[in-house]
Order: sequence, then C-alpha cells, then structure tokens
Amino acid sequence: GQQLNQSPQSMFIQEGEDVSMNCTSSSIFNTWLWYKQDPGEGPVLLIALYKAGELTSNGRLTAQFGITRKDSFLNISASIPSDVGIYFCAGPMEYGNKLVFGAGTILRVKS
Amino acid sequence: DGGITQSPKYLFRKEGQNVTLSCEQNLNHDAMYWYRQDPGQGLRLIYYSQIVNDFQKGDIAEGYSVSREKKESFPLTVTSAQKNPTAFYLCASSPQGGGGSPFHSPLHFGNGTRLTVT
Repeated sequence: GQQLNQSPQSMFIQEGEDVSMNCTSSSIFNTWLWYKQDPGEGPVLLIALYKAGELTSNGRLTAQFGITRKDSFLNISASIPSDVGIYFCAGPMEYGNKLVFGAGTILRVKS
Repeated sequence: DGGITQSPKYLFRKEGQNVTLSCEQNLNHDAMYWYRQDPGQGLRLIYYSQIVNDFQKGDIAEGYSVSREKKESFPLTVTSAQKNPTAFYLCASSPQGGGGSPFHSPLHFGNGTRLTVT
C-alpha cells in the first residue's frame, strides 16, 4: 500500500543551524501535510501543500510539494531550542479513505 | 477557544480490564479519528467516524471499539482482546473534506492519552 518514508530518522543539531528533512513515496499524493509534535502532546499542523511544485513558508519553516508528487521537503532555518520535537509528514491516499503518516523525524537542538 | 480535549492524560490499567478513553471537540467538525502512536512508528489509524452514528475501522481496529452518539464526542474503548494496549492514543477531528472524504482536510489533534497496562 502507500507508504511515506521520512528521513533522516533523527537529527541532533547546533542552535542556529538550518535543518532539512524529506518525505518520499512510491505513490502519488495530491496533498502533503507537515505536522510537529512536542513531547507529550498531540501533533500540530505546520504547513499544508495542495499543488505540485508549491513552495510555502510559515515563519522560519519552508515546505515544498515535489513536482513528481511523490515527495515533499521541510526546511527550518536558524533553529532554536523550541524547534525540538518530532516532525511528521502525512498525505491522503489517492484512492481510498485514509491519511498516511511517515514515521517521523526526531529533532534535537543543542544550545 | 475551540479545540479537542482528551482525558485523562495518563491512564493505568491492569491486564484484562476494558478501559475507555474520552475525546470531545467543540470545533463543529463532522469527522473524528483515533490514532495509536508507538515509539519510532508513524501514527496508525484505529477507527474513524465521518458522521454521527457511523464509524469505520482503520488499519488496527482489532481489540478496540468506538461509538459516535454525539457530534462532539468519540470515545474509544480498549478491550481486553487488544494484545498490546500500552501506547499513546491520539484523537483528532476535521471538517468534512471535498468529495465526501474527510482525509483531504488537515486534522486537528488532541493532546493524547498515555495508556499503560500492566
């Protein structure tokens, strides 16, 4: 079935560094969603992408919907300690009635 | 403020007991969902409901049951038949998506219930 592969699995970076993570699939997605989960809380939507090639920013976050519709990227510029958490990509299956989540990228920031 | 409330935050049960997790939303969303989260894995769908008095099984429904008697409420019961119930459970809601599918609208999540069964 449709699966989302997120990488890297985890990152431990210095405060102020930029962060890049991505999500790929062998199947086409028509929507890409990026969520962030703080420890012990529920995921919160960061960015939603609805069109191939779309580039959307939300503060220091920028996400792109890949042209092939099989991948998406999330970049965080000038990381700060509160960026710590798990970042998930997600997308609805092209056919069927389900939202698929990646396994998440764990981000840790050294201050 | 509108949102999704899950209670309790932490729950402890003995093996063999059924337990019910509460989820209430005041966002006026039609669709509600239950996900299970285990370390190193993505969120896995247990059950979802697009409308009152109707719900569908997700990928891992075995050992779980739900009800949707009111639009605002979607409780999840973890039964003794669930072989590995210890996990973090997340409830979510969304407006009804275009074409009848709720999954084309972003989900709003509650803050989760951590269930430990010993």
